[in-house]
Amino acid sequence: SAVISQKPSRDICQRGTSLTIQCQVDSQVTMMFWYRQQPGQSLTLIATANQGSEATYESGFVIDKFPISRPNLTFSTLTVSNMSPEDSSIYLCSVETSGDMNTGELFFGEGSRLTVL
Amino acid sequence: QKEVEQNSGPLSVPEGAIASLNCTYSDRGSQSFFWYRQYSGKSPELIMSIYSNGDKEDGRFTAQLNKASQYVSLLIRDSQPSDSATYLCAVNSWGKFQFGAGTQVVVTP
Repeated sequence: SAVISQKPSRDICQRGTSLTIQCQVDSQVTMMFWYRQQPGQSLTLIATANQGSEATYESGFVIDKFPISRPNLTFSTLTVSNMSPEDSSIYLCSVETSGDMNTGELFFGEGSRLTVL
Repeated sequence: QKEVEQNSGPLSVPEGAIASLNCTYSDRGSQSFFWYRQYSGKSPELIMSIYSNGDKEDGRFTAQLNKASQYVSLLIRDSQPSDSATYLCAVNSWGKFQFGAGTQVVVTP
C-alpha cells in the first residue's frame, strides 16, 4: 500500500476561479491517477499522470480545464480551472502499487471536496 | 452497457447475517478484480483483491470470481453495523481501472 496525502481536504470556491489540489505519496510510484466523484456517483477517471510526460486525459476531460503536473515520482497536482457549480465534487488522487501476483492495486488519498458557489 | 455493473441497493442486512454483493463486468480480457469500501464522506479503501477463479477469504470477507460468467461477488459474514458503507467493485482491464456505481449496505442492529 501507500500513504497518500491530499490538500486541501475541502474548499469553497467562487465561480470563475481556479484551485490547485496537491497529492503527495510516501514512496515513488510510476502511475498516479486523478478521479472525480460527484455526489452520489461512482468514480470517474479524469487523467493518468506519469512523471516526465504529459498527462493522458479521458474522454470528456481536457488539459485546459484540468491541467496536471507530475514533477517527480512522489508528487502531482491537479488544477480545476475556471470553476462552475458543476465542478463541485470530490477529487481523488490515487496511485497504483504492486499487489499480490505482482499486479497493480489502486490506493486513494483522502480526497478534496470542492464546492463551487 | 456499463463496463462494471452493481446493484445500487440499499442492501439491508440484519446484524450477524451474511451480506452478499454482486458485480458483473463486460470486458472478458479483464485481469484483476477488487472490492473497495467507502464510508460516507471518506475515500475508497481497498478491502479485497482477486485474480483467479474461485474464492478468496480474508477475515469476514470472501471474494468470489467466475471469469467465464464475468461475475465477481463479495460476501461479508457476521455483518456488523461498522460494515454499513458503499461497496465499490473495480476491474482492471488492460491497465485501466473501471469502477461500478457501488452498492450501499446498511447493517441493522
